[in-house]
Amino acid sequence: GESVGLHLPTLSVQEGDNSIINCAYSNSASDYFIWYKQESGKGPQFIIDIRSNMDKRQGQRVTVLLNKTVKHLSLQIAATQPGDSAVYFCAETPMNTGFQKLVFGTGTRLLVSP
Amino acid sequence: DAGVIQSPRHEVTEMGQEVTLRCKPISGHDYLFWYRQTMMRGLELLIYFNNNVPIDDSGMPEDRFSAKMPNASFSTLKIQPSEPRDSAVYFCASSLRGLNTEAFFGQGTRLTVV
Repeated sequence: GESVGLHLPTLSVQEGDNSIINCAYSNSASDYFIWYKQESGKGPQFIIDIRSNMDKRQGQRVTVLLNKTVKHLSLQIAATQPGDSAVYFCAETPMNTGFQKLVFGTGTRLLVSP
Repeated sequence: DAGVIQSPRHEVTEMGQEVTLRCKPISGHDYLFWYRQTMMRGLELLIYFNNNVPIDDSGMPEDRFSAKMPNASFSTLKIQPSEPRDSAVYFCASSLRGLNTEAFFGQGTRLTVV
């Protein structure tokens, strides 16, 4: 039968807007979380990380928020630019892998219009 | 440093042929990872090495897949014999301190098995 690919949710924003990309992770005992950005034809690129003992971390134009109560991770991008258009992945290290595997989510496509 | 270098960038081969993918990690990085990316399954960790020693190969799909790291600056992922379902983008990544830290990805090898 025909293969069905992963459906990538898409977030479309205007240049200059703030973007929020959400991720629900699977394991409440996960220790470490990373956001990666992947542009077309390239490998994933590290954006920002956060450990489970924190609930917020800020970088340059990006902020990651971790809500362990509802197992939710979000990436906020301030003043979004066309160069931010890419697929964004959250990744976690679940306890059931001995914190030894980085498990990636399915990704969200961000489209930024000028 | 030029980053993680993978070769070839694209590979088209016939079913049944042997395929060898190559990776040069960032100098000084102790960990090396091989990932596979498909539309169906997203990004999956196949195997990782620490100081040239394979630590976890539980993600390797079957015995047709093998990986080696003969020295700190070179790793190979081999598929023999290749099958159409092996078609994917294969990424190599390296990091200084393992999975709970930032991993740097190569550009990937797009493998097509016909």
